[in-house]
Amino acid sequence: QSALTQPASVSGSPGQSITISCTGTSSDVGGYNYVSWYQQHPGEAPKLMIYDVSNRPSGVSDRFSGSKSGNTASLTISGLQAEDEADYYCSSYTSSNTWVFGGGTKVTVV
Amino acid sequence: QLQLQESGPGLLKPSETLSLTCTVSGGSISSENYYWGWIRQPPGKGLEWIGNIYYSGSTYYNSSLKSRVTISLDTSKNQFSLKLSSVTAADTAVYYCARRRGGSSGLDYWGQGTLVTVSS
Repeated sequence: QSALTQPASVSGSPGQSITISCTGTSSDVGGYNYVSWYQQHPGEAPKLMIYDVSNRPSGVSDRFSGSKSGNTASLTISGLQAEDEADYYCSSYTSSNTWVFGGGTKVTVV
Repeated sequence: QLQLQESGPGLLKPSETLSLTCTVSGGSISSENYYWGWIRQPPGKGLEWIGNIYYSGSTYYNSSLKSRVTISLDTSKNQFSLKLSSVTAADTAVYYCARRRGGSSGLDYWGQGTLVTVSS
């Protein structure tokens, strides 16, 4: 099972919006609405930000939103803040009844 | 509030078997419709899904690790465990345990992670 494809890095200025892509295949991202996104700060465990493509867990800022088109899912962070600087990972269910993560994207607030 | 805590040896020699336990507090691992899983992260690298176990005991593993992995439940101790045999330096990673609700894609509760180093 190959990892989902994410850009290595994305940057933006405070207040801007950025979008992170997560590309898979019809056997994972494109085949199911089971995509989730995680935020990870250095030295910490990942934190769930989006599940089932576009749902936010309780307590997650509404500046985070998710979507999907075909085999590509996206995470958008609007009103970028310094605290959003972190690594972000997508994950998807697969046709093999397993799960796969993306390679991760480092978000920098410049 | 649900809490997960990994425990186990932090240093192994090549060819040994990695054994980790995840202790769950604030909830029962026997609760219907939950999956309990393991994810690892090599130093400086991304996340890798290892596998998970349903509350009923059904298991699902990463195909690249399937021949070496076993995940099991111990309901009497409210714990679940990971065994990975024949470890090599490539298995050096922070190992996380986590929970997912059935019918959903999100791993909503995570342990803090434990570093396992494989070195001779």
